[in-house]
Amino acid sequence: TQLLEQSPQFLSIQEGENLTVYCNSSSVFSSLQWYRQEPGEGPVLLVTVVTGGEVKKLKRLTFQFGDARKDSSLHITAAQPGDTGLYLCAGAHGGSTLGRLYFGRGTQLTVWP
Amino acid sequence: KAGVTQTPRYLIKTRGQQVTLSCSPISGHRSVSWYQQTPGQGLQFLFEYFSETQRNKGNFPGRFSGRQFSNSRSEMNVSTLELGDSALYLCASSLWGTDTQYFGPGTRLTVL
Repeated sequence: TQLLEQSPQFLSIQEGENLTVYCNSSSVFSSLQWYRQEPGEGPVLLVTVVTGGEVKKLKRLTFQFGDARKDSSLHITAAQPGDTGLYLCAGAHGGSTLGRLYFGRGTQLTVWP
Repeated sequence: KAGVTQTPRYLIKTRGQQVTLSCSPISGHRSVSWYQQTPGQGLQFLFEYFSETQRNKGNFPGRFSGRQFSNSRSEMNVSTLELGDSALYLCASSLWGTDTQYFGPGTRLTVL
């Protein structure tokens, strides 16, 4: 069983549409990271959120960490073909498990021109 | 600052062989974590090293091992390869005491 559940698993949309990806858990995290991965490459860090209720914006991407630090969402406004990729959320518990991230299965996003 | 580097990028081995993968972390990062990524299981944690000591280990058989050197570079070894070991092996580094990890490009291992 995955500690982090991501939804949807696949998303296929037209350029200009908005979308939201969800990352949920029953576990509390000390922080949560979002990554984007291209085929055959390693995940590239987009953002780290650490405070419950925190909202971070990266151009057209908005990230939110749930108040209870158990869930997060990624919202993309006016998606572009360059946003295509696998979006991964990863949670950390810190403490004795420092150095270990728990990953969701990912959301494969395809944006058509 | 240079990112995390991994060598080799691609490997093809046959069942029963062993393999060693190498990872050089970002300069100043002393923690190195390893993950296995497969289509069926996603990213699974293998182990993490800090100051040449393994601090955490995931749920993988003993055929998977690693080590870290005094310059923070790390290697992982897989012995007696099985077909199911075919995967993208990712290395990530982080600053001590932080959760944020930065990943390398990965090594694509194919076992025939």
